[in-house]
Amino acid sequence: NAGVTQTPKFQVLKTGQSMTLQCAQDMNHNSMYWYRQDPGMGLRLIYYSASEGTTDKGEVPNGYNVSRLNKREFSLRLESAAPSQTSVYFCASRRTGGRGYGYTFGSGTRLTVV
Amino acid sequence: DQQVKQNSPSLSVQEGRISILNCDYTNSMFDYFLWYKKYPAEGPTFLISISSIKDKNEDGRFTVFLNKSAKHLSLHIVPSQPGDSAVYFCAASGSAGNMLTFGGGTRLMVKP
Repeated sequence: NAGVTQTPKFQVLKTGQSMTLQCAQDMNHNSMYWYRQDPGMGLRLIYYSASEGTTDKGEVPNGYNVSRLNKREFSLRLESAAPSQTSVYFCASRRTGGRGYGYTFGSGTRLTVV
Repeated sequence: DQQVKQNSPSLSVQEGRISILNCDYTNSMFDYFLWYKKYPAEGPTFLISISSIKDKNEDGRFTVFLNKSAKHLSLHIVPSQPGDSAVYFCAASGSAGNMLTFGGGTRLMVKP
């Protein structure tokens, strides 16, 4: 099925460990996004990539890095995980010219940092 | 400071009745507003949207109302069904449309 695929679905890390969250879309969308969801805070934008080769910071970028590997893939890296990064992470992509209805979200990665 | 706020974290409604979910925003540059629906273990999915040039948009059982002077929008679901039980997020974007700002979400429970 066409859409946004995130891996892994679940992960437990120890404080200080590193990991990369993977995201791939097969809809030929130009823009891709990483959000985190925390209780009562909604979804907050971490980083986004308006097109292949570009990345920009969102609302909460500290502690994260991203790579837009190609048009399909956009990865999020935690270099040294902290308990404050315990959250559910969503990747999304957006078709060109689409307003909010053009966003497609993946099913999320639930990350726990102990 | 949250630019989009949903002040009710949860709402419980009887099946067949109306559900009203509210959202307030502070940024005057927002000109497009959306509601997303999220089931457990799934990503948010688009539900309905409204442009700032309108004050109402309807799609089946779902209607979104926008009051620009009050910087307030609401989602009405009539009649509510048990399958509507989910978390609903209000979101807003500016004219560039390249970023969404989300509210904190409201968990709707529709009781049979």
